[in-house]
Amino acid sequence: DGGITQSPKYLFRKEGQNVTLSCEQNLNHDAMYWYRQDPGQGLRLIYYSQIVNDFQKGDIAEGYSVSREKKESFPLTVTSAQKNPTAFYLCASSNQKGRSNQPQHFGDGTRLSIL
Amino acid sequence: AQSVTQPDIHITVSEGASLELRCNYSYGATPYLFWYVQSPGQGLQLLLKYFSGDTLVQGIKGFEAEFKRSQSSFNLRKPSVHWSDAAEYFCAAPAPYGQNFVFGPGTRLSVLP
Repeated sequence: DGGITQSPKYLFRKEGQNVTLSCEQNLNHDAMYWYRQDPGQGLRLIYYSQIVNDFQKGDIAEGYSVSREKKESFPLTVTSAQKNPTAFYLCASSNQKGRSNQPQHFGDGTRLSIL
Repeated sequence: AQSVTQPDIHITVSEGASLELRCNYSYGATPYLFWYVQSPGQGLQLLLKYFSGDTLVQGIKGFEAEFKRSQSSFNLRKPSVHWSDAAEYFCAAPAPYGQNFVFGPGTRLSVLP
């Protein structure tokens, strides 16, 4: 079955440490997205990528970095510069190619906590 | 600014009762509109989508939504709620230039037995 796989499901970070969240999709989608979800705040866009080797900052990109070396993979690194990283992180993809009528498909999320 | 709003943060209904979750958008042109559902600790699942044409859209799990241009609304409805419908519901639309999506803040649905 096609879908989006996020790993790990739970992740713990020590102060001053960088951590990387994995997101892989086998839907052959061009566009991929990272969202952060905090209680009562809905989804906030961190980064998105429309094509391999290209990505754009979303609304809350500070303290995060991404790469898009392969179409199926869009890892997110939470750096030590992100002072409040505890949240639920969601990865999504869509078959956009400039067509905005395509819905997003979501992974099951990674919950990141600070030790 | 173009946005998607969901006026109700939390709604509680009894099992078997009807449900309506509100969504309003502020876009110049008729946007594409989506409803998603999120169970605790899970990702979002697409319930239904509106592109054009018939303003009443059927989705999965017995949900439907009606697009009303005059009210800038896209409300989600279900005639009889089941306990398994307890979840968070998000309304969404593509951002103005189609590069990403704008999500409403979500409505949490609780279902009483």
